[in-house]
Amino acid sequence: AQKITQTQPGMFVQEKEAVTLDCTYDTSDPSYGLFWYKQPSSGEMIFLIYQGSYDQQNATEGRYSLNFQKARKSANLVISASQLGDSAMYFCAMREGRGGGADGLTFGKGTHLIIQP
Amino acid sequence: GAVVSQHPSWVICKSGTSVKIECRSLDFQATTMFWYRQFPKQSLMLMATSNEGSKATYEQGVEKDKFLINHASLTLSTLTVTSAHPEDSSFYICSARSGAAYEQYFGPGTRLTVT
Repeated sequence: AQKITQTQPGMFVQEKEAVTLDCTYDTSDPSYGLFWYKQPSSGEMIFLIYQGSYDQQNATEGRYSLNFQKARKSANLVISASQLGDSAMYFCAMREGRGGGADGLTFGKGTHLIIQP
Repeated sequence: GAVVSQHPSWVICKSGTSVKIECRSLDFQATTMFWYRQFPKQSLMLMATSNEGSKATYEQGVEKDKFLINHASLTLSTLTVTSAHPEDSSFYICSARSGAAYEQYFGPGTRLTVT
């Protein structure tokens, strides 16, 4: 079974609208972290937001917020007031364990977001 | 913010040769570095994890004799693709983390083409 599932291979959104990118995850570890990264065509991975499994509140970073629903094992990314520069691939990723040691990230397949003027 | 560099940014090599890719943390000490591979239009797949001064831990299905990883200092890790074949052509990305911090800082990636 996939550990990270992103069900939207591509999305078209009108500029200035809000957009929600879906991500569900699967783990039996009580301690985990969820990440969202943006990858423009240049290939670099840009960190957007992080949510720890024990965090009580949903993470927010500027126009980005993470809708964390632990019981549903979902961690959707919400981008408010989308901009043309938001067009890119977006990856949801998970780290299992408490950090430190061999705990690299497991990535979903990504969502290709295109913002239309 | 923390900066991770990779060198080279792209490389073309002939089948059968070896290629070394460097990953450096420029302004922090990277106790752990990770190597990922990304095929075109696909996701990133973790290849291996290396902790400074110890042997790398490879993910299942990754040949340790083919992908040699060295993490000799707190700021440098290298990935050597030995006896490269065209199917090794991919985008290789490293990331680095300091201590038990949750965040991994990614390098800009290296695009390898094997002809």
